[in-house]
Amino acid sequence: AQRVTQPEKLLSVFKGAPVELKCNYSYSGSPELFWYVQYSRQRLQLLLRHISRESIKGFTADLNKGETSFHLKKPFAQEEDSAMYYCALMRYNTDKLIFGTGTRLQVFP
Amino acid sequence: SAVISQKPSRDICQRGTSLTIQCQVDSQVTMMFWYRQQPGQSLTLIATANQGSEATYESGFVIDKFPISRPNLTFSTLTVSNMSPEDSSIYLCSVGNRGNTGELFFGEGSRLTVL
Repeated sequence: AQRVTQPEKLLSVFKGAPVELKCNYSYSGSPELFWYVQYSRQRLQLLLRHISRESIKGFTADLNKGETSFHLKKPFAQEEDSAMYYCALMRYNTDKLIFGTGTRLQVFP
Repeated sequence: SAVISQKPSRDICQRGTSLTIQCQVDSQVTMMFWYRQQPGQSLTLIATANQGSEATYESGFVIDKFPISRPNLTFSTLTVSNMSPEDSSIYLCSVGNRGNTGELFFGEGSRLTVL
């Protein structure tokens, strides 16, 4: 079965602290994975995708097929990073996304 | 990118009634999807809205309960039929273009409360 698991509902850190939002997946094929973010009073939007291997707003995520993980990391959290983060998996050749339950990141000053 | 407008943004409905949600996109898109986000839960895909043909429903969702229309490449509707309190949820329209490496654009959602 295809599934995305985000074990933490809430993650609270202080400004400047490192952040890691966990995401694990189960999928029989080659996964395409994404992180979406929803800031307060804004719509859900793409943060980054694993195939791009990019760093967006200081965030990076590495696909680890051995551990079936795609954790989102940032070395120094900022207050404006406070938001809801969703890990998502795209079914091969369908453009359909399967979302995790989301993790709320709170960054305190 | 695509700008998506959803109507209504929120509504309070009586049990047994039906409500239609509209999704308008400012450009032609290949893919249109309807998601549901129940309180405290993740986004669940209801169906893919296919232009000019019947929608493709995910497991657990049926056309009688969630009829969908998509008359053209910029517009779709989702109807939630014979509503019960369990249908209280946020319903989200999302769009993308095939082969666009999985980036979907989302509407702001329609928050339905069924009494």
